[in-house]
Amino acid sequence: DGGITQSPKYLFRKEGQNVTLSCEQNLNHDAMYWYRQDPGQGLRLIYYSQIVNDFQKGDIAEGYSVSREKKESFPLTVTSAQKNPTAFYLCASSMEQYNSPLHFGNGTRLTVT
Amino acid sequence: AQSVTQLGSHVSVSEGALVLLRCNYSSSVPPYLFWYVQYPNQGLQLLLKYTSAATLVKGINGFEAEFKKSETSFHLTKPSAHMSDAAEYFCAVSEKGAQKLVFGQGTRLTINP
Repeated sequence: DGGITQSPKYLFRKEGQNVTLSCEQNLNHDAMYWYRQDPGQGLRLIYYSQIVNDFQKGDIAEGYSVSREKKESFPLTVTSAQKNPTAFYLCASSMEQYNSPLHFGNGTRLTVT
Repeated sequence: AQSVTQLGSHVSVSEGALVLLRCNYSSSVPPYLFWYVQYPNQGLQLLLKYTSAATLVKGINGFEAEFKKSETSFHLTKPSAHMSDAAEYFCAVSEKGAQKLVFGQGTRLTINP
């Protein structure tokens, strides 16, 4: 079955360490997205990519980095510069159309202590 | 720029009662509107979408939403709540030419036995 796989489900890191969250899709979608979810704040867009080797900053890109070397993969690195990294991170993909719905992975819960 | 407001961060209804979750949008051009549902520790799933065809849109699990241009609203309803409907619900808007969805803050639905 086609879908989006995020790994790991839970991730624990010490403050000051960079950490990379994995996102893989086999839906043949052009566009991929990273969202951050905090209680009571809905979903906030971190980065998105509409084509391989190209990506754009979302609303809260500071302290994060991404790459898009393959159509299927869009990893997110949470750097030590991110001041409040503990959150639930969601990856999504869609066909490159403004009226196409997003398909979401099951998320990675990152805890930094 | 488009935006979404969900009225009520928490809604509680009895099992068998009507479910009404409110969503108002702002868009300078005809919008594309979506409702998503999120169960605990999971990603979001598409419930339904409006893309300028019929104003009454039917989705999965017995939900439907009506697009009202004059009220800039896209409220989600279900005639009879079931315990399995307990989840968080997100309204989202996009528009032609936009590269991303904008999400509301979410409404947590609780079903009382």
